[in-house]
Amino acid sequence: VMTQTPLSLSVAPGQSASISCKSSHSLLRSDGKTYLYWYLQKPGQSPRLLIYEVSNRFSGVPDRFSGSGSGTDFTLKISRVEAEDVGVYYCMQSIEVPITFGGGTKVEIK
Amino acid sequence: EVQLVESGGGLVQPGGSLSLSCAASGFTFNTYAMNWVRQAPGKGLEWVAGISGSGASTNYADSVKGRFTISRDKSKNIVYLQMNSLRAEDTALYYCVKDHEWWIRGWFDSWGQGTLVTVSS
Repeated sequence: VMTQTPLSLSVAPGQSASISCKSSHSLLRSDGKTYLYWYLQKPGQSPRLLIYEVSNRFSGVPDRFSGSGSGTDFTLKISRVEAEDVGVYYCMQSIEVPITFGGGTKVEIK
Repeated sequence: EVQLVESGGGLVQPGGSLSLSCAASGFTFNTYAMNWVRQAPGKGLEWVAGISGSGASTNYADSVKGRFTISRDKSKNIVYLQMNSLRAEDTALYYCVKDHEWWIRGWFDSWGQGTLVTVSS
């Protein structure tokens, strides 16, 4: 089970935001990789990958997005929030099947 | 450029069947695993099924196991999702999703626009 908090977040432009994701069991696999991903779904769009394996930004993702954590506790941080960052953020585990997503965190701009 | 174009969605009665297709282009199709992820209206994301690059390995969410079948045709670069015994709770936008590896890694690097399935009488 993937538990995300908070459910929603209202952030002023230029401020930072943090989203927590907790797994019911460790996402560290025997290959040394941790199978935790972050996706963003902007309004009216398909989701897109932001962060893979906890802390690696995917191609084209601005460096104001950063991921951290280990084992069962993870955090996505957005530094210097911009208007284009609005949407729903999902964490996801794929260490085991079925792959499961967190419930999502809606980020709005104040 | 990777392109994933879903089709086949529509209105179907409970207990009925529907087959979704995803036409893929812009990458070496049989090198990557493919998945279906769905999103019920106003709800979050739910992984439905995945298939390895070769097609030899498939996995399913518990909610669809035994009712849905994922397959792929490497000659046509198409991924399919055959959905049987459909229920109202299967109503959702179904996304075709490309994985970053030949196996179902969960590194979903490309998403289609989705095709809407509505199960209702």
